Amino acid sequence: AQTVTQSQPEMSVQEAETVTLSCTYDTSESNYYLFWYKQPPSRQMILVIRQEAYKQQNATENRFSVNFQKAAKSFSLKISDSQLGDTAMYFCAFMKPNAGNMLTFGGGTRLMVKP
Amino acid sequence: DAGVTQSPTHLIKTRGQQVTLRCSPKSGHDTVSWYQQALGQGPQFIFQYYEEEERQRGNFPDRFSGHQFPNYSSELNVNALLLGDSALYLCASSLLPSSYNEQFFGPGTRLTVL
Repeated sequence: AQTVTQSQPEMSVQEAETVTLSCTYDTSESNYYLFWYKQPPSRQMILVIRQEAYKQQNATENRFSVNFQKAAKSFSLKISDSQLGDTAMYFCAFMKPNAGNMLTFGGGTRLMVKP
Repeated sequence: DAGVTQSPTHLIKTRGQQVTLRCSPKSGHDTVSWYQQALGQGPQFIFQYYEEEERQRGNFPDRFSGHQFPNYSSELNVNALLLGDSALYLCASSLLPSSYNEQFFGPGTRLTVL
């Protein structure tokens, strides 16, 4: 079974600065997918970024980028130029290929962006 | 284009009762997954429906059951409610149960069991 661990329950950052959220996972699979989801107070889970394990290049989406270290089983999310709208819960998630599209989530990190 | 919708938004039940939650997938999607998110925790996978059949199931007891209709909408039923069933129930939809296709989540149903 896969496990996903987010060791930072809460973080805060000043507006316009950069913050990094940590995630580690445990799996015996060689190929898999990793995700970061954002859950604002509205509760609706929104996909932020996706990484495929067989791709060595780190994924980027505008102000969001990841640092994927496969050997270390680490998958951190960097948010650059933080905005007030980035305030939310952030969840790291794991998905095995060819097993439906079931997601295994970490416990989440609450991010507060301060003006 | 409507996204994933869920009803009701909030629900209060007492122990031992039964509850039905509903989900309409995003237009064009045929696969529905259900997740339970306890307060302060990450979501946990309950089960997934595709072609009106349960395809995958997480570690949840048989008190949790579901159904998918020909129009791809889905219901989650929970029998003999326990206090520990209090949670946010999220529905997610996708085109096929494929890891290549993005899942879209609904806003959830907040269930409180007293």
